[in-house]
Amino acid sequence: DAKTTQPPSMDCAEGRAANLPCNHSTISGNEYVYWYRQIHSQGPQYIIHGLKNNETNEMASLIITEDRKSSTLILPHATLRDTAVYYCIVRVEAGNQFYFGTGTSLTVIP
Amino acid sequence: DTEVTQTPKHLVMGMTNKKSLKCEQHMGHRAMYWYKQKAKKPPELMFVYSYEKLSINESVPSRFSPECPNSSLLNLHLHALQPEDSALYLCASSQESGVNSYEQYFGPGTRLTVT
Repeated sequence: DAKTTQPPSMDCAEGRAANLPCNHSTISGNEYVYWYRQIHSQGPQYIIHGLKNNETNEMASLIITEDRKSSTLILPHATLRDTAVYYCIVRVEAGNQFYFGTGTSLTVIP
Repeated sequence: DTEVTQTPKHLVMGMTNKKSLKCEQHMGHRAMYWYKQKAKKPPELMFVYSYEKLSINESVPSRFSPECPNSSLLNLHLHALQPEDSALYLCASSQESGVNSYEQYFGPGTRLTVT
């Protein structure tokens, strides 16, 4: 199973873009990259996912490198409510399993 | 309705007790999951149900017994737990993904304390 590596913590100024990196160097060709976040003691919340192309939705953008060995989640205008632990996950090919990495604790500073 | 509900929110049980956690979704999802999350750690997959059949058991001790009585309900029966089993237990559901990509929707979790 592909594993993910993320920095343990990051800070971001309110209103600025938050760029959260993730390494998944052992990812296989058909394995998707998912991003979730978890605000303290709540269930994880889906943000975005992608396979090869960059993706954007109302919450964030996902940039996947051409070799697919890493990705970056971008929150374009961080707010205090974006303070959470962000998990980068590789979903097993043709399976339902999510294996969470250790996550990045993002703190948005006023 | 994109909600996964879990009951109870909090549970305290002794090591000799038998209790059950309940999870419910009405999104028509045919895959359901149990995760365990210890403090300051990521969620760990325990079980996966696909079309009401257990498809994945991540080597979970037999004191945890999952059950999927129908496509909307998922239970986790607990018996003879240890204090180290204290954790947040999360339920999730998704469409049956196969080779496609579907997100998992998580419930708020049940905070379990074993005394």
